[in-house]
Amino acid sequence: GENVEQHPSTLSVQEGDSAVIKCTYSDSASNYFPWYKQELGKGPQLIIDIRSNVGEKKDQRIAVTLNKTAKHFSLHITETQPEDSAVYFCAARIIQGAQKLVFGQGTRLTINP
Amino acid sequence: NAGVMQNPRHLVRRRGQEARLRCSPMKGHSHVYWYRQLPEEGLKFMVYLQKENIIDESGMPKERFSAEFPKEGPSILRIQQVVRGDSAAYFCATRRDSLETQYFGPGTRLLVL
Repeated sequence: GENVEQHPSTLSVQEGDSAVIKCTYSDSASNYFPWYKQELGKGPQLIIDIRSNVGEKKDQRIAVTLNKTAKHFSLHITETQPEDSAVYFCAARIIQGAQKLVFGQGTRLTINP
Repeated sequence: NAGVMQNPRHLVRRRGQEARLRCSPMKGHSHVYWYRQLPEEGLKFMVYLQKENIIDESGMPKERFSAEFPKEGPSILRIQQVVRGDSAAYFCATRRDSLETQYFGPGTRLLVL
């Protein structure tokens, strides 16, 4: 089945710097890759997603890139702010059957003022 | 336009009791997914339901766990004879027909004493 690996597990950056989180997936048939942000005590919130027919997508300070050949996708946050501090999860969608999401292990991002 | 709702937000049970977790989808969403999150871990798929039908329960333990999504009312995840290992955050996510995006509720944090 699908397996998603996410790195790093923790990331600390200075406010204003950029943060990059990387994920790899195993099932080449996966075709949808969302990123979620989870704040303490809350549910995951979708921040950006990308489909396999697109190589890059950007929404203000957040961008996601996808390399289908390498089965690799990344989240880029520019001009980081304290409110970006949270746990970020990548996911890949299984296209067969339930179309469930398989999640990475998460990255705890800390923005230092 | 209310988001996905879950209740209770926190639930404490003693070993051997039953836990009932409820999920009310967003308006117009007929697909429900339940995920479990252990402390400091990612989300793991449990079960996928579409109105009145269980589509995929491959991630749900065969014993003590059951789920339903009746024609009227919320989806319910039921855990019978809870054990300490059931302590976790349980999230539901819902989506519309033909769309990939899953929206998560705030979760139910179950503590088994």
